[in-house]
Amino acid sequence: DVKVTQSSRYLVKRTGEKVFLECVQDMDHENMFWYRQDPGLGLRLIYFSYDVKMKEKGDIPEGYSVSREKKERFSLILESASTNQTSMYLCASSLALYQSSYNSPLHFGNGTRLTVT
Amino acid sequence: QKEVEQNSGPLSVPEGAIASLNCTYSDRGSQSFFWYRQYSGKSPELIMFIYSNGDKEDGRFTAQLNKASQYVSLLIRDSQPSDSATYLCAVLKPNAGGTSYGKLTFGQGTILTVHP
Repeated sequence: DVKVTQSSRYLVKRTGEKVFLECVQDMDHENMFWYRQDPGLGLRLIYFSYDVKMKEKGDIPEGYSVSREKKERFSLILESASTNQTSMYLCASSLALYQSSYNSPLHFGNGTRLTVT
Repeated sequence: QKEVEQNSGPLSVPEGAIASLNCTYSDRGSQSFFWYRQYSGKSPELIMFIYSNGDKEDGRFTAQLNKASQYVSLLIRDSQPSDSATYLCAVLKPNAGGTSYGKLTFGQGTILTVHP
């Protein structure tokens, strides 16, 4: 079974702090993703990575950066946390297939609920 | 217009009835379509995917795809209280050049409540 582990379940940070959210997967997946989930807005993609040291912006990258130094680990960084970044953050991974991934589902971690005060 | 649109609900059905969940998408280049189920306080889990026009059945679940109408639906037969959850529709479309890297766009989810 694929396991995607997020380091913290709950996190409370102050405005202006630099925040690191860590995610590790154990199935040698190529793709890793960071989403945030907010009521009424669904899941929105922040950043994703399809290889070590590779990253691409998702739909809402502003205020975030990412790091992928090792294949199994994908970190989301809030450079200067703001209250509008209070949200549930979900990490996911999938096995990359050439041209399409219709039979390579996303496997999600349990989420990190971040509160910025 | 949102890329992927769902009725947020809540949709309430009695136990044993058919629950019908709908999703529309805006990009005609979309390739594959997924239904995820998310229980309260949990992360989403994949329950169905479909990429050809028509119906795909898996147990009590049937996914239906109509690419001409840009419409995908999920039917749950013999609904059970344990089916009460938020159902997320997700759409995969390729980047320029044909590769997709598995990037999905999600709808906002439909809350389903099955009452005894």
